[in-house]
Amino acid sequence: GNSVTQMEGPVTLSEEAFLTINCTYTATGYPSLFWYVQYPGEGLQLLLKATKADDKGSNKGFEATYRKETTSFHLEKGSVQVSDSAVYFCALRGDSGGSNYKLTFGKGTLLTVNP
Amino acid sequence: SAVISQKPSRDICQRGTSLTIQCQVDSQVTMMFWYRQQPGQSLTLIATANQGSEATYESGFVIDKFPISRPNLTFSTLTVSNMSPEDSSIYLCSVEQGVNQPQHFGDGTRLSIL
Repeated sequence: GNSVTQMEGPVTLSEEAFLTINCTYTATGYPSLFWYVQYPGEGLQLLLKATKADDKGSNKGFEATYRKETTSFHLEKGSVQVSDSAVYFCALRGDSGGSNYKLTFGKGTLLTVNP
Repeated sequence: SAVISQKPSRDICQRGTSLTIQCQVDSQVTMMFWYRQQPGQSLTLIATANQGSEATYESGFVIDKFPISRPNLTFSTLTVSNMSPEDSSIYLCSVEQGVNQPQHFGDGTRLSIL
């Protein structure tokens, strides 16, 4: 079945530092890949997505590139802010119908950014 | 994206009781889902809510414990039945507005059972 392996947290950075959260996946075919963010006390928000190899998703200064050769979708941001403190989830959705189509989540990475 | 409203946002319940959570969307959507997020954990899919028919449950979840309704394309409910402290979690509704569209989530219902 599909699976997502995400960098263990927690991650603590100073404001303006560079962020990388690693995400690798196992899936057949051509899954779609997502990053979601969960701010304290809130639900999940879609941060960015990529639907095919070499696609780059970007939003709010965050980027991730769909690398099929390394089965990876690492999240990066050049300069983090205190307001980026949250839990980040990598997820994939299979490319065919039935049970493969559902979202599979990584375990989440807690990011804390200090001023 | 669709605006998703979940009610209640939080509740504290007694052991052995049941609670129904509502999910209302401001536009028609093709698919609705219910997830559980246990404390400090990732999300686990409970079931896909099917409009006009029985929900499709994931392994480890059963209809008697988590009955789900979806009477139309904008509304669904999840009931957590005969609750125990192990059911203390965040329950989240999500929707897809079309095939191959990303899932969007409500703010969740934070449930504590005493």
